[in-house]
Amino acid sequence: EGQLVQSGAEVKKPGESLKISCEAFGYSFTSYWIGWVRQKPGKGLEWMGVIYPGDSDTRYSPSFQGQVTISADKSISTAYLQWSSLNVSDTAMYYCARRRRYCSGGSCYSGTYYFDNWGQGTLVAVSS
Amino acid sequence: SYVLTQPPSVSVAPGKTARITCGGNNIGSKRVHWYQQEPGQAPVLVIYYNTERPSGIPERFSGSNSGNTATLSISRVEAGDEADYYCQVWDSGSDHLWVFGGGTKLAVL
Repeated sequence: EGQLVQSGAEVKKPGESLKISCEAFGYSFTSYWIGWVRQKPGKGLEWMGVIYPGDSDTRYSPSFQGQVTISADKSISTAYLQWSSLNVSDTAMYYCARRRRYCSGGSCYSGTYYFDNWGQGTLVAVSS
Repeated sequence: SYVLTQPPSVSVAPGKTARITCGGNNIGSKRVHWYQQEPGQAPVLVIYYNTERPSGIPERFSGSNSGNTATLSISRVEAGDEADYYCQVWDSGSDHLWVFGGGTKLAVL
């Protein structure tokens, strides 16, 4: 079934850089896309981007393009989310999640994507 | 970009059926997925592909999707079902590929 384990909470100052991680256990890391989702305090879920660890193909939400970098190291089954310069507005919980698509009767259907397995979340607090 | 609209809150008495809606333009043509997020916890998938339940999710959880509204139904509601619920679609027609609804807080009276 698999499990995603994220790195611990971070407290940073504005302008600092940060890289958080998401390590996969119990499944073939290179066979499934991994997504990142932001949740600001008291708010809803926002999709940030996805990466295919098999070849590092990456897609970003327009809202986060240029603001973060998503990467993966398949040798250690770990995906990353990084910032070069944090803002106070980046304060949030960040989740990684495994992307799946619907399959039935031996066929899988594109466009049916969802996240079936989530990490526990990494809290990032940015304050001066 | 595609927009999903959920009511901010739904209240239900224990033992009754809760229905949480997710509105979107012709959402019936899309595949809708639902997540439950208990306070302080990561989201958990409870319904995928409109009506399918992952293993371990009680049969009390069901989904439907038609026209401009998708619905998550929870029958025989228990206190432990109190959580935030989010609908989600994948929209190939926009750059915001994964679209989440704003979330609905289910309160068990």
